[in-house]
Amino acid sequence: GAVVSQHPSRVICKSGTSVKIECRSLDFQATTMFWYRQFPKQSLMLMATSNEGSKATYEQGVEKDKFLINHASLTLSTLTVTSAHPEDSSFYICSAFPTGPTNEKLFFGSGTQLSVL
Amino acid sequence: SQQGEEDPQALSIQEGENATMNCSYKTSINNLQWYRQNSGRGLVHLILIRSNEREKHSGRLRVTLDTSKKSSSLLITASRAADTASYFCATDRQGAQKLVFGQGTRLTINP
Repeated sequence: GAVVSQHPSRVICKSGTSVKIECRSLDFQATTMFWYRQFPKQSLMLMATSNEGSKATYEQGVEKDKFLINHASLTLSTLTVTSAHPEDSSFYICSAFPTGPTNEKLFFGSGTQLSVL
Repeated sequence: SQQGEEDPQALSIQEGENATMNCSYKTSINNLQWYRQNSGRGLVHLILIRSNEREKHSGRLRVTLDTSKKSSSLLITASRAADTASYFCATDRQGAQKLVFGQGTRLTINP
């Protein structure tokens, strides 16, 4: 099956710093990638849709200047949490549909646990 | 916003028993999918059922879909300790590629 690699798996940072999370599709191309946020014992909340070569589409209530998304190639999307604060601490997960006619199944990265001190 | 509601929120059973989880949704869909998440990890796709299908099997998994009631169920037969995880249903709104996930069921299989 398709593999999505997400890095880092865990990051601890000081309040006010920025953190970049990478999401790579290793064996397929992904025109579109999705970024989710998940709090403990809760569901995934879609934050934004990352589109290769164009601006990301953010869900209602998600600050685009806070969560910067770049999708510069068909295999890489990055999420940068700018000026992180403790309330940004969460589990962030990326996912992607392989580009093509049978693109109904999402493949997920292993997630990044962000802890802001 | 999440459109899927799952019940129960948590389920604890003995190894070997069957586990049933339910999911309800609100809008018309093209398909419904079930995913599994081990603690602190990403999600893994289990099974997809299309809106014109009523039942689907994959190994020990059985999924049903009732579009008139906008509900689905996931049955895991002969459960194993390794089945302990959270299970999420996900739906695609017609015309949209993105998936919306339910609240999930935390399943614990006791050895």
